[in-house]
Amino acid sequence: DVKVTQSSRYLVKRTGEKVFLECVQDMDHENMFWYRQDPGLGLRLIYFSYDVKMKEKGDIPEGYSVSREKKERFSLILESASTNQTSMYLCASRNSPGQPRQFFGPGTRLTVL
Amino acid sequence: EDKVVQSPLSLVVHEGDTVTLNCSYEVTNFRSLLWYKQEKKAPTFLFMLTSSGIEKKSGRLSSILDKKELFSILNITATQTGDSAVYLCAVGHNNAGNMLTFGGGTRLMVKP
Repeated sequence: DVKVTQSSRYLVKRTGEKVFLECVQDMDHENMFWYRQDPGLGLRLIYFSYDVKMKEKGDIPEGYSVSREKKERFSLILESASTNQTSMYLCASRNSPGQPRQFFGPGTRLTVL
Repeated sequence: EDKVVQSPLSLVVHEGDTVTLNCSYEVTNFRSLLWYKQEKKAPTFLFMLTSSGIEKKSGRLSSILDKKELFSILNITATQTGDSAVYLCAVGHNNAGNMLTFGGGTRLMVKP
């Protein structure tokens, strides 16, 4: 089975801090995604990556950046965390664009004070 | 704008009840509809539907798609407390790299 892991389950940071969320998948998937999940809003796409060193903006990229230096790892960066970035962050991967099914990590619940 | 709407927002039932969760959509270039179950961990895949009228079944769970009326239902029969979760519906597009648009989810609680 595909395994997607995220570096932390819970994280508490202060306003203005730089925050790194790490995601690793073990199935050599080409595509990786970062979503945030808020009550009533479902999952919203922040950034995605088709392959190493490639990145594309999703629906809500403002305040975030990403890095994909290795195929298995996709990092989400909050350059200067703000309270409105308090949320659940979910990472996902899939084999290729031809296969819509995505495999998800367990999520990181980030609180920004 | 692409839209996926799930109803009800939340539902409380007792063990043994049957529930029906709804997902309606308005998207450009529909390709597929996916259902996920999310407990306090990673969302896990349940079904992917691409054709109208063909039921997908796994144990007590089943799902069907109506591409004419633009909706899908997820049925759970003889519910158990382990079915308590948030159920997510997502629609895959044929454009823009086959991305998924998610609904807001239905929170199901099954009481003993």
